[in-house]
Amino acid sequence: AQTVTQSQPEMSVQEAETVTLSCTYDTSESNYYLFWYKQPPSRQMILVIRQEAYKQQNATENRFSVNFQKAAKSFSLKISDSQLGDTAMYFCAFMKGWETGANNLFFGTGTRLTVIP
Amino acid sequence: EPEVTQTPSHQVTQMGQEVILRCVPISNHLYFYWYRQILGQKVEFLVSFYNNEISEKSEIFDDQFSVERPDGSNFTLKIRSTKLEDSAMYFCASRGNRGYQETQYFGPGTRLLVL
Repeated sequence: AQTVTQSQPEMSVQEAETVTLSCTYDTSESNYYLFWYKQPPSRQMILVIRQEAYKQQNATENRFSVNFQKAAKSFSLKISDSQLGDTAMYFCAFMKGWETGANNLFFGTGTRLTVIP
Repeated sequence: EPEVTQTPSHQVTQMGQEVILRCVPISNHLYFYWYRQILGQKVEFLVSFYNNEISEKSEIFDDQFSVERPDGSNFTLKIRSTKLEDSAMYFCASRGNRGYQETQYFGPGTRLLVL
């Protein structure tokens, strides 16, 4: 079974600073995908960034980047130049390789990030 | 940009009543999902649906739940006899079937309250 662990229930960061959210996972799969989703107070689930396990290069999306350490099964999210709109719950999620079927997402318990003006 | 839509946004029902939550996935997607999130907890998988049948389901998805794709666009989740513990946010998601389309896109959710 797949498990995703987010060990930081809450974090805060000053506006314009950088923050890193941690995520570890456990799986015996060799092909899989990792995601960070953002959930603002509206509770909509918004994709932030994705990473294919077969890619060594870390994914980046504007101010968001990941540090993917496959051997350590670690997948952290770095938010640079934090903005007030980044205040949200952030969920790390795992999905088995799509070749093996429909494949649902396994979510961590989330990290509540507050950006302080 | 295409998006997943869900109706209603809020639903209040009495315990024991049936509810149907509706979703319109992104039009060229082939895999459909329902997740739920009890307030303050993580998002949990309920069921996945592909080629007009259930692909996988979790332990939560018992006989009280069913899913259907009644036409080419809608994807519904039915709860036959709601319980208090069914109160949660229910998310529909969809994705395509090619490598770069593995990302699941979520709808805005339906907030269900069972009284």
